[in-house]
Amino acid sequence: AQSVTQLDSQVPVFEEAPVELRCNYSSSVSVYLFWYVQYPNQGLQLLLKYLSGSTLVKGINGFEAEFNKSQTSFHLRKPSVHISDTAEYFCAVVTRSGGYNKLIFGAGTRLAVHP
Amino acid sequence: GAVVSQHPSRVICKSGTSVKIECRSLDFQATTMFWYRQFPKQSLMLMATSNEGSKATYEQGVEKDKFLINHASLTLSTLTVTSAHPEDSSFYICSARPRRSSTDTQYFGPGTRLTVL
Repeated sequence: AQSVTQLDSQVPVFEEAPVELRCNYSSSVSVYLFWYVQYPNQGLQLLLKYLSGSTLVKGINGFEAEFNKSQTSFHLRKPSVHISDTAEYFCAVVTRSGGYNKLIFGAGTRLAVHP
Repeated sequence: GAVVSQHPSRVICKSGTSVKIECRSLDFQATTMFWYRQFPKQSLMLMATSNEGSKATYEQGVEKDKFLINHASLTLSTLTVTSAHPEDSSFYICSARPRRSSTDTQYFGPGTRLTVL
């Protein structure tokens, strides 16, 4: 089964600074990867996804991620963060188990943007 | 597009009672819906996969008799927490995968905060 590891539980950063949130996945023949954002007391919002094709994926709110097969990584980046980007970010991978495709989430990274 | 709603957003109940949470896909049909549980400051844990018109598939360790799931239509799935106990207090989130989706993209509801007294 697939799994994902988010290496940082918390990432503090100053406003307008660049940020990278790291995600590594377990290797597989084919892989679908996702980044979701969760604001306090809310559900998850899809930021971006990699299914195939270009390894650089652009998402909403100025975020992008790069699929790196050799390093089995899918790190999320933003060149300049805002206070409003403060949230929990989850990396996820699709895995097939019991005849169904399921999303497996990483532990999450708390992004705290300071003024 | 791809909006998923949950009702209620918050519920407080007494120990021993049952609580029903609804998950609706508002602008698309979903043959598959998922139910997750999230403890404070933790990730989402998949509880069960719900397919329209068939029995739900529960993850290991999830009691099917305690967490009853019904997926009666292509736009509605319900989770009933039976005989609730304080340890069932949690944030429950559903998601829906559009019919004929080839990308496994799931759209998430806003979550339901359950507090059992």
